[in-house]
Amino acid sequence: QVQLVQSEAEVKKPGASMKVSCKASGYTFTSYGISWVRQAPGQGLEWMGWISAYNGNTHYTQKFQGRVTMTRDTSTTTAYMELRSLRSDDTAVYYCARDRCSGGSCHIFDPWGQGTLVTVSS
Amino acid sequence: EIVMTQSPATLSVSPGERATLSCRASQSVSSNLAWYQQKPGQAPRLLIYGASTRATGIPARFSGSGFGTEFTLSISSLQSEDFAVYYCQQYNNWPYTFGQGTKLEIK
Repeated sequence: QVQLVQSEAEVKKPGASMKVSCKASGYTFTSYGISWVRQAPGQGLEWMGWISAYNGNTHYTQKFQGRVTMTRDTSTTTAYMELRSLRSDDTAVYYCARDRCSGGSCHIFDPWGQGTLVTVSS
Repeated sequence: EIVMTQSPATLSVSPGERATLSCRASQSVSSNLAWYQQKPGQAPRLLIYGASTRATGIPARFSGSGFGTEFTLSISSLQSEDFAVYYCQQYNNWPYTFGQGTKLEIK
């Protein structure tokens, strides 16, 4: 079955960087894009950006532009999201989610990874 | 950026009854709207896309409707496992935005 398995929780200090991985299985990795969505404690969902697993093209929201980098490794069917210059308000659960549509980008998210809690604290 | 507004913030309904959740977009998103369910400690799950198409494996008691700026998610005959937080999301315009969520709780 289609599955996205994310890396374990992390604790980071302000100013540091984080890198979350998302290991995909059960489908042709390069046929679907992957988005990253975060959720601060007790808050709603915030879309951060998207990467094409086919060619590595990326789209980031303006809020994260310059601070985020999304990459993928087709040999290991893994997507990565790196966020730099961390602040306390970056404390959140970070999710990867696959596009529902193959061959393009429809930005309907299905399925989702289990989430990775990143805590930013001094 | 399109702002998605969900109402009510919290909805209290008894098991077996019907729940109706609303989502409004600040500008038209055509039918490019999805609904997700999130239970505590879990990732969101896709319920509905294209405003009214159920995702694979979603029970028929979940239905979506609407077009443009006004959308509704209805859950008929609520089961215990349906009490959760529901989010709408538009995918018509970048950046793709979510509503703030409606918490469906047991009355």
